[in-house]
Amino acid sequence: GESVGLHLPTLSVQEGDNSIINCAYSNSASDYFIWYKQESGKGPQFIIDIRSNMDKRQGQRVTVLLNKTVKHLSLQIAATQPGDSAVYFCAEDLTGTASKLTFGTGTRLQVTL
Amino acid sequence: DAGVIQSPRHEVTEMGQEVTLRCKPISGHNSLFWYRQTMMRGLELLIYFNNNVPIDDSGMPEDRFSAKMPNASFSTLKIQPSEPRDSAVYFCASSLSGGADTQYFGPGTRLTVL
Repeated sequence: GESVGLHLPTLSVQEGDNSIINCAYSNSASDYFIWYKQESGKGPQFIIDIRSNMDKRQGQRVTVLLNKTVKHLSLQIAATQPGDSAVYFCAEDLTGTASKLTFGTGTRLQVTL
Repeated sequence: DAGVIQSPRHEVTEMGQEVTLRCKPISGHNSLFWYRQTMMRGLELLIYFNNNVPIDDSGMPEDRFSAKMPNASFSTLKIQPSEPRDSAVYFCASSLSGGADTQYFGPGTRLTVL
């Protein structure tokens, strides 16, 4: 079987508060970035994406910020709900079409009542 | 639409055995991806097909792994012979070319090689 691996960093947030999940990406040539949500026992689910010609993009209750200078990506979730509890991954892509994604290690978000 | 369908959902096998994982993409999608997820390495892209043709298999770990897509509605990932380090969750995803917002992941196959 598998040996003990990486422990995911965990962010604990109270219901109703805002959450900020951070990600450092590795390739300065990446021009497309995506955030995914993965619930236990399920595959990753697309949340929001951003291309390198943008600094900020908003969706429904979510905002992604991109800082290319320091190769940093963040996901902000407004008014966090219990259903937001999951592991969140960032991914970077060189192709612009999500056909060669490199994923980050993930952050576990725990929403407390 | 039923989404991406993977089978089996769980597979337990012994080292040295052949393992075949199956995927049915969403109808109308023209790209298909196989990923592997482990605690040690996270999510990794193994291979990518476009219009049934393998485009990039640079993520396939070694010759023991092979993938086929004989038609637009079916793909297989085969491991022969399997080894304990192949234990992982294997995800299939399909998409319309152009962006992650059209890429949908299946529920995964949890493979355990004893």
